[in-house]
Amino acid sequence: GDSVTQTEGLVTLTKGLPVMLNCTYQTTYSPFLFWYVQHLNEAPKLLLKSSTDNKRTEHQGFYATLHKSSSSFHLQKSSVQLSDSALYFCALSDSNTDKVVFGTGTRLQVSP
Amino acid sequence: EAAVTQSPRNKVAVTGGKVTLSCNQTNNHNNMYWYRQDTGHGLRLIHYSYGAGSTEKGDIPDGYKASRPSQENFSLILELATPSQTSVYFCASGDRGINQAPLFGEGTRLSVL
Repeated sequence: GDSVTQTEGLVTLTKGLPVMLNCTYQTTYSPFLFWYVQHLNEAPKLLLKSSTDNKRTEHQGFYATLHKSSSSFHLQKSSVQLSDSALYFCALSDSNTDKVVFGTGTRLQVSP
Repeated sequence: EAAVTQSPRNKVAVTGGKVTLSCNQTNNHNNMYWYRQDTGHGLRLIHYSYGAGSTEKGDIPDGYKASRPSQENFSLILELATPSQTSVYFCASGDRGINQAPLFGEGTRLSVL
């Protein structure tokens, strides 16, 4: 079945620095990829989504490009802010099913 | 405005008791999902539904049942609650294809003592 791998459990950065959070996936069908952000004691909220190969998608300063050749959808930002401290989830669905599976999440901690 | 509402928001249950978590969506989405969130495990899919009358097993369905009596409502049922089911439970709704990105409710914090 479909699966998502997020290799970093915790990423700590100083504000103003760039960040990349890794996401790789496995599916035998055409993928739909999502990034969610979850702030403390809140629900996960959609940040980005894509199903188009090699096309950059952006929202709120974050961006990601779906690369089907490497099964990746890494999340990036050029300059992190204190307010970006949160839990980030990568999620996957595909053209064959409406089941949506999530990775284990990466906690981003931004310090002053 | 699109909304997913869960009840109760907090629940304390006894081991062996029955627990029902309810979810209502006003988005007219076909798909609904139940996830649980535990530190180190992320969001794990318990059950999901394609529409009224349908339920599908997710990745961790053991110990849980689901019911979708209408487009708007999707319940998660723990017939015999156990302490290992202590968790935060999220309901979500979504559409088809790339628009199926789930929209989450605020979560239910369940403690089984």
